[in-house]
This record gives sequence, structure tokens and C-alpha cells, in this order.
Amino acid sequence: AQSVAQPEDQVNVAEGNPLTVKCTYSVSGNPYLFWYVQYPNRGLQFLLKYITGDNLVKGSYGFEAEFNKSQTSFHLKKPSALVSDSALYFCAVRGANAGNNRKLIWGLGTSLAVNP
Amino acid sequence: GAGVSQTPSNKVTEKGKYVELRCDPISGHTALYWYRQSLGQGPEFLIYFQGTGAADDSGLPNDRFFAVRPEGSVSTLKIQRTERGDSAVYLCASSLAGPSSPLHFGNGTRLTVT
Repeated sequence: AQSVAQPEDQVNVAEGNPLTVKCTYSVSGNPYLFWYVQYPNRGLQFLLKYITGDNLVKGSYGFEAEFNKSQTSFHLKKPSALVSDSALYFCAVRGANAGNNRKLIWGLGTSLAVNP
Repeated sequence: GAGVSQTPSNKVTEKGKYVELRCDPISGHTALYWYRQSLGQGPEFLIYFQGTGAADDSGLPNDRFFAVRPEGSVSTLKIQRTERGDSAVYLCASSLAGPSSPLHFGNGTRLTVT
């Protein structure tokens, strides 16, 4: 069965420190992986995706994520956190062989708090 | 360019009433999704359209929920005989065709059933 796990409900970091939000997945075949961010009272906003190629992908607002096939992980990272990065972060996966099944599998979300 | 637009942004209705929620996707996006999100939770899939047809409606909780997309653009989510448990934020998203295309979400409609 396809699944996504975000093992941390909440991550706290100090402003200026590096941050990591973890995501592991299980999917048949090759994965398409996505990160989304949700600010309070807003819809989800696409950050970045991994499709193929370079394992390190760069996205919006200085975020990047590293695809690790052997560990089936796709952790979100940022070298220097900002207070404005505080939000809810969701990891999502879809199998590349999904065919007509376009349903994304979502993690439960990780709340990131960046402290000044 | 314009993003996904959802109206109304807030809807308060009484238990038992009928509501319609509208989604105007990004121009050119053939795929359209409806999700439901409760406070502190992830998005819960409801239905997916490819063009005018519902390709996957397996997430609709029961037959009180129905969605249409008659011209392959704007979509309406319809809820009959609303119940207090229907209270949530209803999110619409659209995307280009292809499983690698990311979803682009609207800001949602907050539905409160009193």
C-alpha cells in the first residue's frame, strides 16, 4: 500500500539555524514526491518536487529537499530558517506508474515553529 | 497569472440546508481536485476531475456530496442536507495533465454548519 510518513508533529528551530522536516514514503515503482506549505488560514502552496535526475531539488523561498532512494526519504531542508517560515508542511507522493489514479498520498503534516 | 479561485471564502449554514461551493481553476488546467481539511489535519481527498468527467470520486463521504464540472473549467461541490460534521475547509486544486504536475490550491471555503 502507498503511504507517506512525517514522523514529527512539530519541529522547533531558532532563527538562522538550519532546519529539516522529515518525510518517508512507500510507493509501487518510482515516486513523484512533493512538498507543500500551508500558512495560517491559507490554502496549500507548492514548494518543490522530485521527478527524476539530481537527488537534490531546489524550490521556493530557499527550500530544498533531498531524495534518498535507499532510505525512501525526501526530507525538506533550509540552511537558515526565518521566522516567516513558521507554517504547516506537508509531504505527498504519487507513484510514477499511477496511470489514471491521480490521487496524491499525503502525510499528516509537520508544524514548523521558528523562534526569533 | 490568476490562481485558483474559490467562492465563497466563508459559508455559514444551518443543519439540513443545501450548499454549493465554487472553484475556478487556473486557465488551461485540465485536472481539478476537491479536498476537505479539518483543523490541524492533512487534506482529505474527495473527488478528481479530468476534463468534464469525474475520474475518481472515491473520496466522497456519502451520497449527500456531489460535484460537477460541466464545461471542463469551473467546478461546483454540492452538499445536500448538511450536517454539523460537514464543517471543514473545502479546498480546490487544479493541475496540468500528467502525474508529475503539482497541484495548485485555492485558499479554500470555510464551511460552518450550525
